[in-house]
Amino acid sequence: DAGVIQSPRHEVTEMGQEVTLRCKPISGHDYLFWYRQTMMRGLELLIYFNNNVPIDDSGMPEDRFSAKMPNASFSTLKIQPSEPRDSAVYFCASSFWDSTPEQFFGPGTRLTVL
Amino acid sequence: RKEVEQDPGPFNVPEGATVAFNCTYSNSASQSFFWYRQDCRKEPKLLMSVYSSGNEDGRFTAQLNRASQYISLLIRDSKLSDSATYLCVVDQGAQKLVFGQGTRLTINP
Repeated sequence: DAGVIQSPRHEVTEMGQEVTLRCKPISGHDYLFWYRQTMMRGLELLIYFNNNVPIDDSGMPEDRFSAKMPNASFSTLKIQPSEPRDSAVYFCASSFWDSTPEQFFGPGTRLTVL
Repeated sequence: RKEVEQDPGPFNVPEGATVAFNCTYSNSASQSFFWYRQDCRKEPKLLMSVYSSGNEDGRFTAQLNRASQYISLLIRDSKLSDSATYLCVVDQGAQKLVFGQGTRLTINP
């Protein structure tokens, strides 16, 4: 079975450009999470969805960040305009609600903003 | 105070040694706890859940102390392949997990 799929795997862009990261969760999973990982701050939850509805976006750093989940098999995280401090690895994860909330992570998108 | 705190290490131990990590959490209402493993430049993956009674999975033992709000992971007979970053994870409820910054472990031949 395919795991969580993320694209692109690497993105290098210039400050001020729009960046769109994409995620396809595991089929049948009803939760989707976006995380950001940096050396300084570790793994931070940005936003998560349940059944395509945003549940908690308190981790979104500012208005430059937005996320959507138009259907159960696709989500995007957009940064507009991007800044050098946004450079990080962005992970998408999905899970299925049951007694053990194990999250399955995608391979991540390594974003560099110059 | 961070919600989940870990010693970042690095821990460098010889192959075959026993190594232990601790982690503390701030929310006394937390119910579920986990250890995730992250290899260099890879995604985190669940290593094991942590149960109140303690649990073992091969060479790995996880313990929970609710009174002191700490979680531990013990690795016995360490292998080169155990080299990774170990993330302590606390479930805040509603599927929301909080990750510690991780403890980096290197097993030396």
